[in-house]
Amino acid sequence: KAGVTQTPRYLIKTRGQQVTLSCSPISGHRSVSWYQQTPGQGLQFLFEYFSETQRNKGNFPGRFSGRQFSNSRSEMNVSTLELGDSALYLCASSSGPDGTYEQYFGPGTRLTVT
Amino acid sequence: LAKTTQPISMDSYEGQEVNITCSHNNIATNDYITWYQQFPSQGPRFIIQGYKTKVTNEVASLFIPADRKSSTLSLPRVSLSDTAVYYCLVGDMLGATGRRALTFGSGTRLQVQP
Repeated sequence: KAGVTQTPRYLIKTRGQQVTLSCSPISGHRSVSWYQQTPGQGLQFLFEYFSETQRNKGNFPGRFSGRQFSNSRSEMNVSTLELGDSALYLCASSSGPDGTYEQYFGPGTRLTVT
Repeated sequence: LAKTTQPISMDSYEGQEVNITCSHNNIATNDYITWYQQFPSQGPRFIIQGYKTKVTNEVASLFIPADRKSSTLSLPRVSLSDTAVYYCLVGDMLGATGRRALTFGSGTRLQVQP
């Protein structure tokens, strides 16, 4: 079974631009979560989607948004990029709706904002 | 969400058993304890999950005392490839009504020496 895939793997953007990252979960998984990882703040939860509905959102500004499609693929968008948005963005999928279900993480998208 | 406390780093040698303890004093009745492993520039990988007593799988054991205020991840006979960051997470089972995000602490950086 193919794992979680994220595209692109690396991205360089300029301050003020916007970016869209894509995540394809494991086949059959309906829950997709997004995390931001930086050296200073560690792994931080962005949001989670289950069956196309955003169920949870972390403490991030409105510039960060996401959506999930009917095939469970998910995208996250960051508008008006800031230098501090440089990070590894991780997507995770799971087959069930709650914390007892194992989350499978993708390799991440490394975003650099200059 | 219950906060977790882990040692920042640990050192070991190949072939030794490594025990990483996590403190979660405010764990709730419905909370499960989960451990993830992360290598540099990769997404975290699920290791083991438990609710109480002892859980064992092919890679690790998880010991949870009766009061559940702490847990210990045990890695038998570590190798160089076990050098990674290990995260202890505590999260609840909300079922179909919703699901909280995984909250990662700072993790424990394990360095295995030859």
